[in-house]
Amino acid sequence: EDKVVQSPLSLVVHEGDTVTLNCSYEVTNFRSLLWYKQEKKAPTFLFMLTSSGIEKKSGRLSSILDKKELFSILNITATQTGDSAIYLCAVEHNSGGSNYKLTFGKGTLLTVNP
Amino acid sequence: GAVVSQHPSRVICKSGTSVKIECRSLDFQATTMFWYRQFPKQSLMLMATSNEGSKATYEQGVEKDKFLINHASLTLSTLTVTSAHPEDSSFYICSASGLPESYEQYFGPGTRLTVT
Repeated sequence: EDKVVQSPLSLVVHEGDTVTLNCSYEVTNFRSLLWYKQEKKAPTFLFMLTSSGIEKKSGRLSSILDKKELFSILNITATQTGDSAIYLCAVEHNSGGSNYKLTFGKGTLLTVNP
Repeated sequence: GAVVSQHPSRVICKSGTSVKIECRSLDFQATTMFWYRQFPKQSLMLMATSNEGSKATYEQGVEKDKFLINHASLTLSTLTVTSAHPEDSSFYICSASGLPESYEQYFGPGTRLTVT
């Protein structure tokens, strides 16, 4: 069965802290891993990772994929209250059919306190 | 570019009625559209995948006769929740893909359905 597991499920930090969110997966025919940020609406795209060991960076956020160990991490440095959200990891894969699809993890609820 | 809209953003309906949700790609041709459902404090669950002009592929456990999906054009897909029940109350999100040389999915803003 295809699965995407995120940890921790929730995290409370203070502004300025650095956080690391984890995502491990077991899927058939992996194509990419994506990170999204979700506030009280639909998810917004953060990163797409397809190759191992290549860090993607956007401001205070960065992410890297390990296709051998089947996991990814999302780092957020110098956290701000506006970073408070649910962070979703999704893996794009093909379960043997013709369509690729996204399987989402349960998400990590990040709360950044002032 | 790559904007996806959904309509309505919020709908309340009575138990037993049907509700139609539209998903439109505004500035690209979406060869594939996806429908997700998200219950409170849970993650997105894929309901079905639809390719333009063909029948939707439903995920295990999703009733195709209850959740009717039509992808009649390259810019529009609709999800009709038939004979809605309170347990169908959820956040329904569509996404679309089809940009050249990209398989990225672009999400709509979601539709909050409440069945009373």
